[in-house]
Formats: sequence, C-alpha cells, structure tokens
Amino acid sequence: DTAVSQTPKYLVTQMGNDKSIKCEQNLGHDTMYWYKQDSKKFLKIMFSYNNKELIINETVPNRFSPKSPDKAHLNLHINSLELGDSAVYFCASSQSWGGTYEQYFGPGTRLTVT
Amino acid sequence: AQSVAQPEDQVNVAEGNPLTVKCTYSVSGNPYLFWYVQYPNRGLQFLLKYITGDNLVKGSYGFEAEFNKSQTSFHLKKPSALVSDSALYFCAVRDIADSNYQLIWGAGTKLIIKP
Repeated sequence: DTAVSQTPKYLVTQMGNDKSIKCEQNLGHDTMYWYKQDSKKFLKIMFSYNNKELIINETVPNRFSPKSPDKAHLNLHINSLELGDSAVYFCASSQSWGGTYEQYFGPGTRLTVT
Repeated sequence: AQSVAQPEDQVNVAEGNPLTVKCTYSVSGNPYLFWYVQYPNRGLQFLLKYITGDNLVKGSYGFEAEFNKSQTSFHLKKPSALVSDSALYFCAVRDIADSNYQLIWGAGTKLIIKP
C-alpha cells in the first residue's frame, strides 16, 4: 500500500498552460504539505495544511493554489505556467502539525515547462 | 533566526568504511532534529530524529546520529558504508520555541560510496 501517492509522476506542458497535481495519503494524518525541489535539489516548503486548513503559505506566486477537499487529499493547481516552475514537486504528510512528527513524502511529480 | 547547515556538498567514502554526514543548526530554543534520505528519482524517506533524551539516536538502515548541544551539531553516522547508501541526505530542524513550528531544511549532502 502506497502511503503518500501523487499523480501524475511526470508532467510536460507549455508556458501559459494550467495544470494540477493530485496528492493522497492513506496514513490517517492530519497535516499535508507541498514542497518544491529545484534542479540543485534545494527543498522549499510551499504550503502546509492542517485538518484542511491552510497553515503555511510561503512566498509562492498566487498562480499556485492548493486545495484540500478532505484530510487525505491535497491538490496543487498552477495557473499560467512559467519556465521557472520546472521542478520536482513533492507532497508530504505528518501525523499532526509541528512538534516531533516526521514527514512522509510522495514519489514526486516532475514538472517540465517548455 | 533558525538555520541549518550541511557544510559538505558531497562526501565520498569507500565501501566498508565508516561514514559521517555533518549537520549543524542554530535555533533560539531547543531543537527537534531530523535526518531524511533521498534516493535517485524518489521522494524523501525519514531516517531518524532527536527529540529529547539519549544523545545517540538510532534509525533505519543502520544509521545513527549524535546530538551535541554544545557544538549545535547532529551528525549522521554509520559504522560500515554500503554502496546502496549512496543518496542525498537532508538534515532538518524545528525550534521548539517557534510558534509556527516551521521545519527548516538543510541544502542536502550527496553521499557517494565507492566499491
């Protein structure tokens, strides 16, 4: 059983398009996250949701909009894609917010914008 | 401000030798410290964490880490490296005193184990 899953695994699209990435966790966790990993492997937190409520919204362009329909799902919609959006996007979850809880990561979605 | 540093971009070790991947941190309160590993084209996997108590923490795949408060370090270690340990390793810290509970990530260290 996959704990944190993401779809699609690969996404190739042209500048200006709109795309979505879906994430699901079957761990019963309360908290979910979106990360961006750039070509140098730096990991940057984008959003954090706890019990479907937005907790952290880092300095991310408002072209990025997360949505959490329930605690098990956190989707990421990106409008007007730009070349600089090319990266690997990871979804993660943790039992609860903050504290001692480790995070469980999905396999990533490699987004390529041409 | 909270920060975490992984001073080495890359660490090369011969198979069978002990390995150390370094991590130092800066927080205003007490830290919660984590190590994660990322294998090529995979997501990050949790290895171990320090919360409180024993300074030597044991984790997955034979890894351990030593919390040193005076040196503000949390180095990852393994007594005998395997080629399969080759991966990217991330250290992360959370400051107990931070009400936002932000997890701060290091830049990662690429570990290469040569046969």
